Amino acid sequence: KAGVTQTPRYLIKTRGQQVTLSCSPISGHRSVSWYQQTPGQGLQFLFEYFSETQRNKGNFPGRFSGRQFSNSRSEMNVSTLELGDSALYLCASSLVPRLAGGHLPQETQYFGPGTRLLVL
Amino acid sequence: DQQVKQNSPSLSVQEGRISILNCDYTNSMFDYFLWYKKYPAEGPTFLISISSIKDKNEDGRFTVFLNKSAKHLSLHIVPSQPGDSAVYFCAASGRDTGNQFYFGTGTSLTVIP
Repeated sequence: KAGVTQTPRYLIKTRGQQVTLSCSPISGHRSVSWYQQTPGQGLQFLFEYFSETQRNKGNFPGRFSGRQFSNSRSEMNVSTLELGDSALYLCASSLVPRLAGGHLPQETQYFGPGTRLLVL
Repeated sequence: DQQVKQNSPSLSVQEGRISILNCDYTNSMFDYFLWYKKYPAEGPTFLISISSIKDKNEDGRFTVFLNKSAKHLSLHIVPSQPGDSAVYFCAASGRDTGNQFYFGTGTSLTVIP
């Protein structure tokens, strides 16, 4: 079974531009989460999608947005890029999401290789 | 507010010895924990998980221990191999976080041949 794929793998943009990143989850997985990784910061949660609906959102400005399609593929968009947006953007998929307040077992999230974005 | 902390940025271990990576958390609602391994320019690879109903989970050379009262978990790798050299992240989620995982900042493990 193919893993999570992300495109493009590398991207260079300039300040003020916008960018769209794509993620295809593992076949059969319906939940997609996005994370930003910067040096020394670990992985910061951006948002999560399930059934084409954003279910959870991290503490990021409105310039960061996303969507999910009926085939579970997801895109995230960053508008008006800033230098600080330079990071590795990771997508993770799981079979189904755990509902807030839901009981175990928790579905494991599997990560794609990431898209490295450099903003100049 | 960093709810999951890995206080050791790096760790060096001799090949064949035990590697112990530590992780602390603050949210008492966390009940599911994961360890990931990450090589440069790659996404994190899932290693092992543990739920709060257990205090130990083992998978080959990897064992995760959970001490709920101390809000602490650790990953033991025995024996350590040079191929284990990578950055290790712990992650946690809970009933109040839905599907959102909180990650530590990672520990870079170097296994010396």
